[in-house]
Amino acid sequence: AQSVTQLDSHVSVSEGTPVLLRCNYSSSYSPSLFWYVQHPNKGLQLLLKYTSAATLVKGINGFEAEFKKSETSFHLTKPSAHMSDAAEYFCVVSLSGGYQKVTFGTGTKLQVIP
Amino acid sequence: DVKVTQSSRYLVKRTGEKVFLECVQDMDHENMFWYRQDPGLGLRLIYFSYDVKMKEKGDIPEGYSVSREKKERFSLILESASTNQTSMYLCASTPRGGGVFGYTFGSGTRLTVV
Repeated sequence: AQSVTQLDSHVSVSEGTPVLLRCNYSSSYSPSLFWYVQHPNKGLQLLLKYTSAATLVKGINGFEAEFKKSETSFHLTKPSAHMSDAAEYFCVVSLSGGYQKVTFGTGTKLQVIP
Repeated sequence: DVKVTQSSRYLVKRTGEKVFLECVQDMDHENMFWYRQDPGLGLRLIYFSYDVKMKEKGDIPEGYSVSREKKERFSLILESASTNQTSMYLCASTPRGGGVFGYTFGSGTRLTVV
Protein backbone atom coordinates (compact mmCIF):
# COMPACT_ATOMS: atom_id res chain seq x y z
CA ALA A 1 0.00 0.00 0.00
CA GLN A 2 1.12 3.54 -0.58
CA SER A 3 -0.14 7.00 0.24
CA VAL A 4 0.91 10.59 -0.05
CA THR A 5 0.04 13.53 2.19
CA GLN A 6 0.43 17.16 1.26
CA LEU A 7 0.48 18.89 4.57
CA ASP A 8 -0.83 22.27 3.42
CA SER A 9 -3.80 22.87 1.16
CA HIS A 10 -2.84 26.54 0.72
CA VAL A 11 0.49 28.35 1.00
CA SER A 12 0.95 32.09 0.62
CA VAL A 13 4.35 33.73 0.11
CA SER A 14 5.59 37.15 -0.93
CA GLU A 15 7.34 37.54 -4.25
CA GLY A 16 11.07 37.04 -3.82
CA THR A 17 10.79 34.95 -0.65
CA PRO A 18 11.44 31.19 -0.38
CA VAL A 19 8.82 28.58 -1.17
CA LEU A 20 8.33 25.35 0.81
CA LEU A 21 5.61 22.88 -0.14
CA ARG A 22 5.53 19.83 2.08
CA CYS A 23 4.90 16.23 1.09
CA ASN A 24 5.09 13.03 3.11
CA TYR A 25 4.65 9.58 1.65
CA SER A 26 4.34 6.00 2.69
CA SER A 27 5.23 3.07 0.52
CA SER A 28 6.02 -0.57 1.09
CA TYR A 29 8.65 -0.52 -1.61
CA SER A 30 11.21 1.89 -3.00
CA PRO A 31 9.07 4.58 -4.55
CA SER A 32 9.43 6.98 -7.39
CA LEU A 33 8.32 10.46 -6.36
CA PHE A 34 7.19 13.35 -8.51
CA TRP A 35 6.03 16.93 -8.26
CA TYR A 36 3.61 18.33 -10.82
CA VAL A 37 2.36 21.87 -11.31
CA GLN A 38 -1.05 22.86 -12.62
CA HIS A 39 -1.86 26.40 -13.71
CA PRO A 40 -5.54 27.41 -13.83
CA ASN A 41 -7.55 25.50 -16.43
CA LYS A 42 -4.48 23.66 -17.64
CA GLY A 43 -3.22 20.10 -17.43
CA LEU A 44 -0.48 18.97 -15.06
CA GLN A 45 3.15 19.55 -15.96
CA LEU A 46 6.02 17.50 -14.54
CA LEU A 47 8.32 19.66 -12.39
CA LEU A 48 10.79 17.04 -11.20
CA LYS A 49 11.14 13.40 -10.26
CA TYR A 50 13.09 11.18 -7.89
CA THR A 51 13.85 7.64 -9.01
CA SER A 52 16.48 6.38 -6.53
CA ALA A 53 19.45 8.29 -7.91
CA ALA A 54 20.57 11.55 -6.23
CA THR A 55 18.44 12.49 -3.25
CA LEU A 56 18.45 16.18 -4.18
CA VAL A 57 16.55 16.59 -7.39
CA LYS A 58 16.52 19.75 -9.51
CA GLY A 59 13.57 20.52 -11.70
CA ILE A 60 12.32 23.20 -14.02
CA ASN A 61 11.78 26.87 -13.15
CA GLY A 62 14.28 26.80 -10.26
CA PHE A 63 12.41 24.23 -8.15
CA GLU A 64 14.12 21.41 -6.31
CA ALA A 65 13.15 18.66 -3.89
CA GLU A 66 15.02 16.48 -1.44
CA PHE A 67 14.18 12.84 -0.81
CA LYS A 68 14.59 12.03 2.88
CA LYS A 69 13.96 8.38 3.53
CA SER A 70 14.28 8.65 7.31
CA GLU A 71 11.55 11.29 7.36
CA THR A 72 9.55 9.81 4.44
CA SER A 73 9.41 13.29 2.97
CA PHE A 74 9.84 14.86 -0.44
CA HIS A 75 9.39 18.59 0.12
CA LEU A 76 9.47 21.03 -2.79
CA THR A 77 11.45 24.25 -2.46
CA LYS A 78 12.43 27.32 -4.43
CA PRO A 79 14.75 30.04 -3.15
CA SER A 80 12.79 32.99 -4.52
CA ALA A 81 9.13 32.97 -5.55
CA HIS A 82 8.00 34.57 -8.78
CA MET A 83 4.47 35.68 -9.62
CA SER A 84 4.32 33.04 -12.34
CA ASP A 85 4.76 30.32 -9.69
CA ALA A 86 1.19 30.85 -8.48
CA ALA A 87 -0.46 27.52 -9.25
CA GLU A 88 -1.48 24.23 -7.68
CA TYR A 89 1.21 21.67 -6.94
CA PHE A 90 0.75 17.92 -6.65
CA CYS A 91 3.04 15.40 -5.01
CA VAL A 92 2.82 11.91 -6.51
CA VAL A 93 4.18 8.54 -5.40
CA SER A 94 4.60 5.59 -7.70
CA LEU A 95 5.98 2.09 -7.37
CA SER A 96 8.93 1.93 -9.75
CA GLY A 97 7.79 0.30 -12.94
CA GLY A 98 4.21 -0.03 -11.71
CA TYR A 99 2.12 2.10 -14.00
CA GLN A 100 -1.05 1.43 -12.12
CA LYS A 101 0.34 2.03 -8.64
CA VAL A 102 0.29 5.81 -8.76
CA THR A 103 -1.14 7.92 -5.96
CA PHE A 104 -1.70 11.66 -6.16
CA GLY A 105 -1.72 14.04 -3.24
CA THR A 106 -4.69 16.37 -2.89
CA GLY A 107 -2.68 19.39 -3.97
CA THR A 108 -1.28 22.60 -2.50
CA LYS A 109 -2.36 25.95 -3.91
CA LEU A 110 0.49 28.45 -3.92
CA GLN A 111 -0.38 32.13 -3.79
CA VAL A 112 2.36 34.65 -4.53
CA ILE A 113 1.76 38.14 -3.17
CA PRO A 114 3.34 41.06 -5.04
CA ASP B 1 5.68 20.34 -29.33
CA VAL B 2 2.19 18.96 -28.76
CA LYS B 3 2.27 15.66 -26.87
CA VAL B 4 -1.16 14.76 -25.43
CA THR B 5 -4.18 16.40 -27.03
CA GLN B 6 -7.70 16.39 -25.65
CA SER B 7 -10.22 17.27 -28.30
CA SER B 8 -12.32 19.69 -26.28
CA ARG B 9 -11.40 22.21 -23.58
CA TYR B 10 -14.99 22.88 -22.52
CA LEU B 11 -18.14 20.82 -23.03
CA VAL B 12 -21.72 21.28 -21.91
CA LYS B 13 -24.01 18.26 -22.20
CA ARG B 14 -27.49 17.37 -21.08
CA THR B 15 -28.39 14.68 -18.55
CA GLY B 16 -28.81 11.33 -20.26
CA GLU B 17 -26.66 12.15 -23.28
CA LYS B 18 -23.88 9.82 -24.40
CA VAL B 19 -20.62 11.76 -24.21
CA PHE B 20 -17.29 11.00 -25.88
CA LEU B 21 -14.03 12.51 -24.65
CA GLU B 22 -11.12 11.97 -27.00
CA CYS B 23 -7.42 11.87 -26.23
CA VAL B 24 -4.53 11.48 -28.67
CA GLN B 25 -0.82 11.22 -27.90
CA ASP B 26 2.03 11.46 -30.38
CA MET B 27 4.82 9.94 -28.27
CA ASP B 28 4.19 6.26 -29.07
CA HIS B 29 3.41 5.60 -25.39
CA GLU B 30 1.99 2.22 -24.41
CA ASN B 31 0.08 3.38 -21.32
CA MET B 32 -2.81 5.82 -21.32
CA PHE B 33 -5.02 7.02 -18.47
CA TRP B 34 -8.21 8.92 -17.75
CA TYR B 35 -8.54 10.86 -14.50
CA ARG B 36 -11.17 13.16 -13.15
CA GLN B 37 -10.24 16.08 -10.94
CA ASP B 38 -12.60 17.57 -8.38
CA PRO B 39 -11.95 20.21 -5.71
CA GLY B 40 -10.91 18.65 -2.43
CA LEU B 41 -10.72 15.14 -3.94
CA GLY B 42 -7.63 15.51 -6.10
CA LEU B 43 -7.16 13.26 -9.10
CA ARG B 44 -8.99 9.96 -9.24
CA LEU B 45 -8.25 7.26 -11.79
CA ILE B 46 -11.21 6.20 -13.93
CA TYR B 47 -9.65 3.76 -16.42
CA PHE B 48 -6.29 3.01 -17.91
CA SER B 49 -4.95 1.02 -20.82
CA TYR B 50 -1.53 -0.56 -21.21
CA ASP B 51 -1.95 -1.70 -24.81
CA VAL B 52 -4.27 -1.50 -27.78
CA LYS B 53 -7.67 -3.02 -27.00
CA MET B 54 -6.64 -3.55 -23.36
CA LYS B 55 -8.30 -1.70 -20.50
CA GLU B 56 -8.31 -1.84 -16.74
CA LYS B 57 -10.68 -0.27 -14.24
CA GLY B 58 -9.33 2.38 -11.98
CA ASP B 59 -10.75 3.58 -8.70
CA ILE B 60 -14.03 5.07 -9.99
CA PRO B 61 -15.09 3.31 -13.23
CA GLU B 62 -18.85 3.34 -12.58
CA GLY B 63 -20.76 5.20 -15.26
CA TYR B 64 -17.80 5.25 -17.65
CA SER B 65 -16.36 3.05 -20.36
CA VAL B 66 -13.28 3.40 -22.57
CA SER B 67 -12.06 2.43 -25.99
CA ARG B 68 -8.56 1.99 -27.34
CA GLU B 69 -8.61 0.83 -30.93
CA LYS B 70 -5.32 2.49 -31.87
CA LYS B 71 -2.19 2.99 -29.82
CA GLU B 72 -2.32 6.76 -29.98
CA ARG B 73 -6.00 7.25 -29.12
CA PHE B 74 -7.85 6.59 -25.86
CA SER B 75 -11.51 7.54 -25.61
CA LEU B 76 -13.60 7.99 -22.48
CA ILE B 77 -17.33 7.39 -22.83
CA LEU B 78 -20.05 8.52 -20.48
CA GLU B 79 -22.87 6.15 -21.36
CA SER B 80 -25.61 8.34 -19.88
CA ALA B 81 -24.29 11.59 -18.50
CA SER B 82 -25.39 12.66 -15.04
CA THR B 83 -24.87 15.89 -13.14
CA ASN B 84 -22.44 14.20 -10.72
CA GLN B 85 -20.11 13.65 -13.68
CA THR B 86 -19.57 17.38 -14.00
CA SER B 87 -15.80 17.62 -13.57
CA MET B 88 -12.43 18.30 -15.11
CA TYR B 89 -11.23 15.25 -17.07
CA LEU B 90 -7.53 14.73 -17.64
CA CYS B 91 -5.89 12.31 -20.03
CA ALA B 92 -2.28 11.18 -19.53
CA SER B 93 0.22 8.80 -21.05
CA THR B 94 3.50 7.11 -20.13
CA PRO B 95 5.87 4.72 -21.89
CA ARG B 96 6.06 1.11 -20.75
CA GLY B 97 7.42 1.02 -17.20
CA GLY B 98 5.90 4.43 -16.78
CA GLY B 99 5.99 4.52 -13.00
CA VAL B 100 9.59 5.67 -13.33
CA PHE B 101 9.08 8.25 -16.06
CA GLY B 102 6.07 10.16 -14.86
CA TYR B 103 3.01 11.18 -16.84
CA THR B 104 2.51 13.54 -19.71
CA PHE B 105 -0.89 15.19 -19.31
CA GLY B 106 -3.26 16.79 -21.74
CA SER B 107 -4.73 20.22 -21.05
CA GLY B 108 -7.96 18.80 -19.70
CA THR B 109 -11.65 18.88 -20.65
CA ARG B 110 -14.00 20.71 -18.34
CA LEU B 111 -17.34 18.95 -18.67
CA THR B 112 -20.58 20.41 -17.37
CA VAL B 113 -23.68 18.22 -17.33
CA VAL B 114 -26.94 20.15 -17.01
